[in-house]
Amino acid sequence: AQTVTQSQPEMSVQEAETVTLSCTYDTSESDYYLFWYKQPPSRQMILVIRQEAYKQQNATENRFSVNFQKAAKSFSLKISDSQLGDAAMYFCAYRSAITGNQFYFGTGTSLTVIP
Amino acid sequence: NAGVTQTPKFQVLKTGQSMTLQCAQDMNHEYMSWYRQDPGMGLRLIHYSVGAGITDQGEVPNGYNVSRSTTEDFPLRLLSAAPSQTSVYFCASRRQGGNQPQHFGDGTRLSIL
Repeated sequence: AQTVTQSQPEMSVQEAETVTLSCTYDTSESDYYLFWYKQPPSRQMILVIRQEAYKQQNATENRFSVNFQKAAKSFSLKISDSQLGDAAMYFCAYRSAITGNQFYFGTGTSLTVIP
Repeated sequence: NAGVTQTPKFQVLKTGQSMTLQCAQDMNHEYMSWYRQDPGMGLRLIHYSVGAGITDQGEVPNGYNVSRSTTEDFPLRLLSAAPSQTSVYFCASRRQGGNQPQHFGDGTRLSIL
């Protein structure tokens, strides 16, 4: 089974500043998908951004962008102009494009936004 | 569309009791999954289904049963509840193929006494 590692259990950022959350994964496959999900205190799981491994261009969604380094098996999430509403648990997830039925999640990073 | 609907939102059981967590989606998604979320462990896959009549085990299937008689519904059954099954349970669905993300329900917080 693939493993997804989020090495930062907790992070904090000043409002309006930029923060980067780390994610690494272990796989022998070349074709896969990566996702970042946000879980606010309401407990909902909300898709933030996704990346296809075959795309070299890093995905961007408004203030959220990723730094995808395929050779290093790294998939970090950058949040720019942090807002109070960004405070949440963030999960990185991997899904194979070949066997594809299972998502593998990291253990999460709890982000605090300081006013 | 309601998306993915889970019921109940909260439940307390005694050890040895059985119960069914309900999950329904109205997006005509082929794939449905059940996860449990425990502190410090992220989400772990319990069972999943790739279509009506087809189910398979995930990472932590012991103590749980599932069935998929319709595209819309994917109930999770606890056969004989144990304190180790105290957790938050999420149902998710997605469309087949490509980079389709999971759509999650709001979760069920289950406590086993």
